[in-house]
Amino acid sequence: NAGVTQTPKFQVLKTGQSMTLQCAQDMNHEYMSWYRQDPGMGLRLIHYSVGAGITDQGEVPNGYNVSRSTTEDFPLRLLSAAPSQTSVYFCASSSEIDSPLHFGNGTRLTVT
Amino acid sequence: AQSVTQLDSQVPVFEEAPVELRCNYSSSVSVYLFWYVQYPNQGLQLLLKYLSGSTLVESINGFEAEFNKSQTSFHLRKPSVHISDTAEYFCAVSDMNYGGSQGNLIFGKGTKLSVKP
Repeated sequence: NAGVTQTPKFQVLKTGQSMTLQCAQDMNHEYMSWYRQDPGMGLRLIHYSVGAGITDQGEVPNGYNVSRSTTEDFPLRLLSAAPSQTSVYFCASSSEIDSPLHFGNGTRLTVT
Repeated sequence: AQSVTQLDSQVPVFEEAPVELRCNYSSSVSVYLFWYVQYPNQGLQLLLKYLSGSTLVESINGFEAEFNKSQTSFHLRKPSVHISDTAEYFCAVSDMNYGGSQGNLIFGKGTKLSVKP
């Protein structure tokens, strides 16, 4: 099994550009989520989904959109990139509320 | 809403010494508690979790954590650390109730454990 796959691994954007971070899992997990990790801030929840067609906001949703058209995929869209969105982004999935999260290896995004 | 406080941002220790990484949480409902570990340039991996039952939980590599409801703490301990334990450790909490936060963890800011020879 591939687990949770994130693409790309690295990305550099200019302020105002848009892009989509891809996340796919092959474990048939219902729950998927996006986190951003910043030095000294730990991981902060951006958006999450409890199943196909259902998404909700986390702690820091502004500037990001998500959709969940299939169980496998949970893309994160940056509408108009800002330097404050420079971060490492992690996608994660789990099968149940008390199951551990399976993390992807992250996407390192730099916005100049 | 839940919150997690990791009291130490960095913990340097010598190899074979004991270590304790502190974690306190705040929640108005019952919670599940987790410790995750992140090695350099990798994603997070589950180290151990408390769901119910015995308040002392153990990992396969010698770490243990004790759930203390009265003190709202879930401190992580290891009696003798190795160089390979050098990593960042995150405490996390999850709402037990079915609802908007289902299946989602709130993380602390992390503690960097540095084991020196």
